[in-house]
Amino acid sequence: AQSVTQLDSQVPVFEEAPVELRCNYSSSVSVYLFWYVQYPNQGLQLLLKYLSGSTLVESINGFEAEFNKSQTSFHLRKPSVHISDTAEYFCAVSDDGGFKTIFGAGTRLFVKA
Amino acid sequence: SQTIHQWPATLVQPVGSPLSLECTVEGTSNPNLYWYRQAAGRGLQLLFYSVGIGQISSEVPQNLSASRPQDRQFILSSKKLLLSDSGFYLCATSTGTGGGQTEAFFGQGTRLTVV
Repeated sequence: AQSVTQLDSQVPVFEEAPVELRCNYSSSVSVYLFWYVQYPNQGLQLLLKYLSGSTLVESINGFEAEFNKSQTSFHLRKPSVHISDTAEYFCAVSDDGGFKTIFGAGTRLFVKA
Repeated sequence: SQTIHQWPATLVQPVGSPLSLECTVEGTSNPNLYWYRQAAGRGLQLLFYSVGIGQISSEVPQNLSASRPQDRQFILSSKKLLLSDSGFYLCATSTGTGGGQTEAFFGQGTRLTVV
């Protein structure tokens, strides 16, 4: 069975500092990997995804994540965060033979001025 | 692109009362549909998913049920609510045919408080 572990429940960081949100997964088959962002009282929005090809994927707002198969990780990074990045971030995995997407417990990113 | 409508946005219900949350999808046909529950600090728990009309898969035993009476309609129900049913309920649809789900689209959610 698949599972997703987000190692940090909360990450406080100062504006313009770099940030890394960690995600590890377990699966016995090939996977698709995702990061979603959730603002208060809203649904989730896709931030970026890895399906195949280049292991480094980027979002339009400066986030990037790297698929590391040997370490079964898909950490999310941003070199300089903004106040507006404050939100909850979810890592997720979907295997190549199923209909389900499994989500991690979420990491709350709090950017301070 | 796909649009998911969920209602109501907030709901306060007494213990023991029935529940019906509705979700409809626009912009796609024959979608895979999902109900998730989000509790504080626990991420998203998959409750039910459906790959077609009348086809429901339950992920966890619980006080809830789901139905899919039409292709783009997904309903979450309960006959008698428990306090533990409180949470933020999210309807989602995804693209994929069993070869992996490439992206999920979410509704705005329903915050249910059972009192």
